[in-house]
Amino acid sequence: GENVEQHPSTLSVQEGDSAVIKCTYSDSASNYFPWYKQELGKRPQLIIDIRSNVGEKKDQRIAVTLNKTAKHFSLHITETQPEDSAVYFCAAKGTGFQKLVFGTGTRLLVSP
Amino acid sequence: DVKVTQSSRYLVKRTGEKVFLECVQDMDHENMFWYRQDPGLGLRLIYFSYDVKMKEKGDIPEGYSVSREKKERFSLILESASTNQTSMYLCASSLGLAGRGAANEQFFGPGTRLTVL
Repeated sequence: GENVEQHPSTLSVQEGDSAVIKCTYSDSASNYFPWYKQELGKRPQLIIDIRSNVGEKKDQRIAVTLNKTAKHFSLHITETQPEDSAVYFCAAKGTGFQKLVFGTGTRLLVSP
Repeated sequence: DVKVTQSSRYLVKRTGEKVFLECVQDMDHENMFWYRQDPGLGLRLIYFSYDVKMKEKGDIPEGYSVSREKKERFSLILESASTNQTSMYLCASSLGLAGRGAANEQFFGPGTRLTVL
């Protein structure tokens, strides 16, 4: 089945810097790649997603890139702010049922 | 606005007890999921359901069962709780493939932190 690896497990940046989180997946049939943000004590919430027919998607300070050949996708956050501090999870979905396989998470800390 | 609720935020049970975790969604979603979240392991899928009375095993189903008698409700059952089932349990729901809009987005509940003594 699908396997998703996520790096790094922790990431510390200064406010205003950029942050990049990378994920790789194993199932070449996977066609949907969401990113979830989980603030401390709260539920995970979708922040951006990308489908396999698109190479890049951007939403204000957040962007996701997908390389289907290499089977990896990345989350890019520019001009980081303290409120970006959270745990970020990548995920991948294969064909068929709407089952997501999640990465192990990245704890992002943005220092003022 | 999608709302997914879980019956308890915190639960303390004893080893060997039967435990029921309830999840309710109010957006007529076809798919419902149960995950457990552990530090360093991310979110791992226990079971999911794509229709009433239908269920599929996820990646870690051992020691758990589920029930979906109504579309809006998905229950997770620990038949005989053990200490290694101490965890945060998250329920989620999503529209089916035939749904409109962001058909694949999963909406999560607030979680139930279960401690088994």
